[in-house]
Amino acid sequence: NAGVTQTPKFRVLKTGQSMTLLCAQDMNHEYMYWYRQDPGMGLRLIHYSVGEGTTAKGEVPDGYNVSRLKKQNFLLGLESAAPSQTSVYFCASRPALNTEAFFGQGTRLTVV
Amino acid sequence: AQKVTQAQTEISVVEKEDVTLDCVYETRDTTYYLFWYKQPPSGELVFLIRRNSFDEQNEISGRYSWNFQKSTSSFNFTITASQVVDSAVYFCALSDSSYNTDKLIFGTGTRLQVFP
Repeated sequence: NAGVTQTPKFRVLKTGQSMTLLCAQDMNHEYMYWYRQDPGMGLRLIHYSVGEGTTAKGEVPDGYNVSRLKKQNFLLGLESAAPSQTSVYFCASRPALNTEAFFGQGTRLTVV
Repeated sequence: AQKVTQAQTEISVVEKEDVTLDCVYETRDTTYYLFWYKQPPSGELVFLIRRNSFDEQNEISGRYSWNFQKSTSSFNFTITASQVVDSAVYFCALSDSSYNTDKLIFGTGTRLQVFP
């Protein structure tokens, strides 16, 4: 059972470079989320989606864009990476409103 | 606005001690759900419990128990007879439908260290 899979698991970027993080879930979940985890800050919501073709801003959306063209995939893009975006990124999905969320293994991103 | 506060940044205990992790939340909704997740040193996030706003009964699962009190907007987590394997970061989270959204908001986490 794959569950929620994040690609890549590790990445080092130079300031100004762009990249896309991929989150794929095989559970047919409607809701998907992107979080970043920083020391002392917990998990902060970047963007989320309540269904295919829809996205919404979370708590810290600046500098990120997302797309949900297919129900099973939720992409997080960094157009011009900054050192402040160095973090561990987690993707999560859940089947319906207010249900348990299932998390990916995380992506450790370093921007130098 | 939604908010989850975990005031305890880090707690250290010796094995077999009981420990309580605090969680205080804010929401405008009358229907909401609360969660606890565990993040062990390996980094994955493990679901522990979900509780809805209409069920204030305490819940016990083995050495784990949860105390939900709407009057104080708290959802505290107690580990009885702690073990080294309980060492992890624990997150409390809130899910509601304020403003017709479905955000899942986390607290900043409490790092629990259990020493042998």
